[in-house]
Amino acid sequence: NAGVMQNPRHLVRRRGQEARLRCSPMKGHSHVYWYRQLPEEGLKFMVYLQKENIIDESGMPKERFSAEFPKEGPSILRIQQVVRGDSAAYFCASSPPVRLGGQPQHFGDGTRLSIL
Amino acid sequence: SQQGEEDPQALSIQEGENATMNCSYKTSINNLQWYRQNSGRGLVHLILIRSNEREKHSGRLRVTLDTSKKSSSLLITASRAADTASYFCATQGGSEKLVFGKGTKLTVNP
Repeated sequence: NAGVMQNPRHLVRRRGQEARLRCSPMKGHSHVYWYRQLPEEGLKFMVYLQKENIIDESGMPKERFSAEFPKEGPSILRIQQVVRGDSAAYFCASSPPVRLGGQPQHFGDGTRLSIL
Repeated sequence: SQQGEEDPQALSIQEGENATMNCSYKTSINNLQWYRQNSGRGLVHLILIRSNEREKHSGRLRVTLDTSKKSSSLLITASRAADTASYFCATQGGSEKLVFGKGTKLTVNP
């Protein structure tokens, strides 16, 4: 019973390139969340998606960042024209359909993005 | 803005001792959750306590929640070297997103 799968685990890009981070949620989970973690910090929410819908993108930078969760295939976090400040660990989490009062999220091991 | 704030930022104890970490938050919540993160890995959910609960246990873990003070504590009893990790509290309010604190780095010395 595979957990949340993220790839790649490590990604190196030069300034100005594009970064694509992939996330396959746990089986049966229809909700995906992306978080960013800077060194020695907690995770910061970026975006929450269901299949083919963005539910909450209040944590996404307005420019260069986009996310999708298509009907088929993994969720993708896309960062265009990367800058040094984008260097961070990006974590994906998933959960089953929403339950009243909230519920835990299951996390992948993250993608560590380094910008040269 | 960061919701939760853990304290202490770092804690170093001997195996067998208890470890207590505290978390404060600012707004109303539906629940508060604690997660563990080992170096270089993702977060692992430990325990969830709902806003109408005051205390919860899971194995060697004990969590308390005081909504009047907007604070929570995580107690790990009889600690082991394998408990060495960073521990984060996270809150869920009106939306599904988790709002994390900066974490407590726990070191358990053998």
